[in-house]
Amino acid sequence: AQSVTQLDSQVPVFEEAPVELRCNYSSSVSVYLFWYVQYPNQGLQLLLKYLSGSTLVKGINGFEAEFNKSQTSFHLRKPSVHISDTAEYFCAVKGPAAGNKLTFGGGTRVLVKP
Amino acid sequence: ETGVTQSPTHLIKTRGQQVTLRCSSQSGHNTVSWYQQALGQGPQFIFQYYREEENGRGNFPPRFSGLQFPNYSSELNVNALELDDSALYLCASSAGGSRTGELFFGEGSRLTVL
Repeated sequence: AQSVTQLDSQVPVFEEAPVELRCNYSSSVSVYLFWYVQYPNQGLQLLLKYLSGSTLVKGINGFEAEFNKSQTSFHLRKPSVHISDTAEYFCAVKGPAAGNKLTFGGGTRVLVKP
Repeated sequence: ETGVTQSPTHLIKTRGQQVTLRCSSQSGHNTVSWYQQALGQGPQFIFQYYREEENGRGNFPPRFSGLQFPNYSSELNVNALELDDSALYLCASSAGGSRTGELFFGEGSRLTVL
């Protein structure tokens, strides 16, 4: 079984400032890791994923994340945010044999201020 | 390419009633999964359908049931509704055998139980 903890429920940030969203997971097996974004009144959109290989993963909209196996973390970063990045962000994990069963964290709400 | 579509977008039911939610998967996708997202929380996996059979289930009681049709569309049925069933129900589709977990989500059906 896996679990995901997103350490910050809300992150206010000024426009053009950097942002980091923290995600820690626990699992007894190797996992795949994902970040999804949910804009108001919409479904989830995949930002990026880590399956294997390079621990630094680049995604859409200028986001990137770094997988750290020893710290069981997968933090999401963006060097300069825009107003349009205001949304809820979810970290998720999946075991290799879990089909479509993603385990999500509780989410981090990012509010970008002008 | 048609994305994942869900209906209805919003509905209100009373305790004890039954509800059916519908999902059309993205073109070419034969696997559908359903998630429940309570207010302020991350999505929780309900179950997955592949080739018209349930092949994975989360920690939800039997009153949550589903169907998948030959055209890969799907239904989620919930019987004997309880107040705690109030949530956003998300449908996600993927190509069969996708181990990468890249799910494509619909915008959800928001259910309110009074």
